[in-house]
Amino acid sequence: EPEVTQTPSHQVTQMGQEVILRCVPISNHLYFYWYRQILGQKVEFLVSFYNNEISEKSEIFDDQFSVERPDGSNFTLKIRSTKLEDSAMYFCASSVRVTYEQYFGPGTRLTVT
Amino acid sequence: AQSVAQPEDQVNVAEGNPLTVKCTYSVSGNPYLFWYVQYPNRGLQFLLKYITGDNLVKGSYGFEAEFNKSQTSFHLKKPSALVSDSALYFCAVRDLGGANNLFFGTGTRLTVIP
Repeated sequence: EPEVTQTPSHQVTQMGQEVILRCVPISNHLYFYWYRQILGQKVEFLVSFYNNEISEKSEIFDDQFSVERPDGSNFTLKIRSTKLEDSAMYFCASSVRVTYEQYFGPGTRLTVT
Repeated sequence: AQSVAQPEDQVNVAEGNPLTVKCTYSVSGNPYLFWYVQYPNRGLQFLLKYITGDNLVKGSYGFEAEFNKSQTSFHLKKPSALVSDSALYFCAVRDLGGANNLFFGTGTRLTVIP
């Protein structure tokens, strides 16, 4: 069964550094998403992406964040200058259509020190 | 604005007994409703969804959920719990006429006691 994959599984970085989190969505899916889950808290939406552009973004997704689909398979989330409060589990998700269920990857645990 | 409430942080049930995990929602339009399950060190796995049609929807692993529009609820149920059902369960909602992102509840940890 196809699944969303994410790399790395765990990333440790120092405050102020740039990080790129990578995702490979399911191949026939057209809509892509990033969510995050701070430890012990609920899953929060960051951004959705369709047709090579952002379709929705939350208040969390400020100028420090960017997304890109550099080729036909990868979908990346970049944080330009990480802060301590960016420490969280970041989930990538994809869906065939906007009305369909979203399939989530296993997540990348980001630790900012 | 959309929101989801899962009033119970923890639900304990004996193996073989029926289980219910509660969820209520708030949206301005018609809701899309979802249940996801999260096992330790794993991502969120889709269980089932309600978009339209029959109020009782069936999903993976014997789970089902009932959409109740008047009570704005979408409780997850299973007739006979298994120890392997122990996990964190998330209810999520999307506004049919709104943005395409999901709003999640805070999660309910289900523990099935052997």
